[in-house]
Amino acid sequence: KNEVEQSPQNLTAQEGEFITINCSYSVGISALHWLQQHPGGGIVSLFMLSSGKKKHGRLIATINIQEKHSSLHITASHPRDSAVYICAAHTGKLIFGQGTTLQVKP
Amino acid sequence: GAVVSQHPSRVICKSGTSVKIECRSLDFQATTMFWYRQFPKQSLMLMATSNEGSKATYEQGVEKDKFLINHASLTLSTLTVTSAHPEDSSFYICSAPALAGGTDTQYFGPGTRLTVL
Repeated sequence: KNEVEQSPQNLTAQEGEFITINCSYSVGISALHWLQQHPGGGIVSLFMLSSGKKKHGRLIATINIQEKHSSLHITASHPRDSAVYICAAHTGKLIFGQGTTLQVKP
Repeated sequence: GAVVSQHPSRVICKSGTSVKIECRSLDFQATTMFWYRQFPKQSLMLMATSNEGSKATYEQGVEKDKFLINHASLTLSTLTVTSAHPEDSSFYICSAPALAGGTDTQYFGPGTRLTVL
């Protein structure tokens, strides 16, 4: 079993839908990252969380330290949100989940 | 915001040759940089931690004599794939931590796609 698990692996949504991607981890962490990787490969750090909730535009990330679980939500999804979303547990180094491929159709 | 660059963005080489990839922090200093590898349809895997002025720390299963890392300054780390083979073909990415708004976060380079023929 991987130390960081994401679900779902693939997600297709219609434009405007509310999207949730889940991440569970089994290691002790100092923080959890949510990353976005576009088809060209470039990676952008969306959030770094150690507790609670963060919001940036249409993106919301939450973390429950006791349950070792984090979620990334996208409200009013748009085709430009199509990308691979990766959660990564920060244990002094980053341990990555396998990624969730999101496609938002117009 | 902080920017990390990589050069080259894409390289094709013959089997047996060596390839050097550069990772630069453009507007901040990084005493530590991380090197990752990503195979198609797979997630990133940490290869090594590059430390300015000292030896890199390699993850289990990563050959330090094959993947040479040099962190000669606070803004530059290099990864040299020596005697490259087709199985080394991959997407190589670096990252560096920096403070942003009082929070330590990771900035990723755009990646280098290596194809070994």
